[in-house]
Amino acid sequence: GESVGLHLPTLSVQEGDNSIINCAYSNSASDYFIWYKQESGKGPQFIIDIRSNMDKRQGQRVTVLLNKTVKHLSLQIAATQPGDSAVYFCAEKRGGGSYIPTFGRGTSLIVHP
Amino acid sequence: GAGVSQSPSNKVTEKGKDVELRCDPISGHTALYWYRQSLGQGLEFLIYFQGNSAPDKSGLPSDRFSAERTGGSVSTLTIQRTQQEDSAVYLCASSSGTSIYNEQFFGPGTRLTVL
Repeated sequence: GESVGLHLPTLSVQEGDNSIINCAYSNSASDYFIWYKQESGKGPQFIIDIRSNMDKRQGQRVTVLLNKTVKHLSLQIAATQPGDSAVYFCAEKRGGGSYIPTFGRGTSLIVHP
Repeated sequence: GAGVSQSPSNKVTEKGKDVELRCDPISGHTALYWYRQSLGQGLEFLIYFQGNSAPDKSGLPSDRFSAERTGGSVSTLTIQRTQQEDSAVYLCASSSGTSIYNEQFFGPGTRLTVL
């Protein structure tokens, strides 16, 4: 069936490094993609999104890249900080019906001071 | 302003008991979602409410699970005859509309442990 998944379950980086978290999706009909950050004991929090008619979108220290050809999504975090330590989820939504997002499994980002 | 709140934050119960989990969405949000998150896993969709429309129950794993949303606001997720595999974090989210681009705001979750 259709699915959204992540390549790496855990990513460890040093403070100040750039981090890249990847996500593969299999539904070419997906219209909208979202990255969430979930800190321990909290619910997921929206970070950044991208529509299917775009291939790049930038926020504050974060960039999302979308490659529809290979159905790949990535989240880049610049100058990673200890406060960035969390689990990151990608999610996808399809238009034309119920807009219930499908979430990937998540990647745990660990930032070492 | 106030975000999505859930209660209790933690619930420990014995196998076979019924539990009720509560979600208070952001005031004015018409859409409400319940998800289940097992350890090390992503979010599993359970049920979706939108305004006065019939809820989308397609994600409920069994007939032991049910949910209500009273007055278009507070929602209660009920699990009857709990099993150990029901142990998970139950997350609620709300959003302001039906657009695909409407952001979901999540509550902190209820951690359910079934002994």
